[in-house]
Amino acid sequence: KAGVTQTPRYLIKTRGQQVTLSCSPISGHRSVSWYQQTPGQGLQFLFEYFSETQRNKGNFPGRFSGRQFSNSRSEMNVSTLELGDSALYLCASRPDRIPYEQYFGPGTRLTVT
Amino acid sequence: AQTVTQSQPEMSVQEAETVTLSCTYDTSESDYYLFWYKQPPSRQMILVIRQEAYKQQNATENRFSVNFQKAAKSFSLKISDSQLGDAAMYFCAYRSRSGSARQLTFGSGTQLTVLP
Repeated sequence: KAGVTQTPRYLIKTRGQQVTLSCSPISGHRSVSWYQQTPGQGLQFLFEYFSETQRNKGNFPGRFSGRQFSNSRSEMNVSTLELGDSALYLCASRPDRIPYEQYFGPGTRLTVT
Repeated sequence: AQTVTQSQPEMSVQEAETVTLSCTYDTSESDYYLFWYKQPPSRQMILVIRQEAYKQQNATENRFSVNFQKAAKSFSLKISDSQLGDAAMYFCAYRSRSGSARQLTFGSGTQLTVLP
């Protein structure tokens, strides 16, 4: 099975712009979670989607949003980018009924200038 | 809310030697999972080992083993016969087994260097 894929791998944006990141989970996985990793704040949970429904959301401003499609692919969007949004964004998927198996993608490195 | 603390930002070990990474956590729950993840320079997060809180027996995966002390809320990782490929950032993580909040809560990480 192919692993979790994320596109693009690297992205440079300007402050004030918006960005969309994509995540394709492992085939058959319906749960997708997003995490932000920064040197200062470490790894922080953004949100989790299951079957197109957001099940859980972390403590991030409304500029951060996401969605999941019927094929389980997920996108996250950040509007009005700030310098502090520069981070590695990690996506993870897991199989149904196996909560401890979480597979991470390689991440998208976002740089905001 | 749960918190995970890794008090060792950096550790080093000689190749073939043993090293122990420390992790403590705080929770009011009794049923949960604990994990150690490895993040090499490629940034791909890889699960090293998992422990279920209701199991008293410490988990072991080849050269990796944990010392799980539930009452002390301590969860350390021991790497035996360290190899150059073990060099990475190691994260301790917590996940509730019940309730609605089932995301991973990570510690700040320990950067492990393996010396040849």
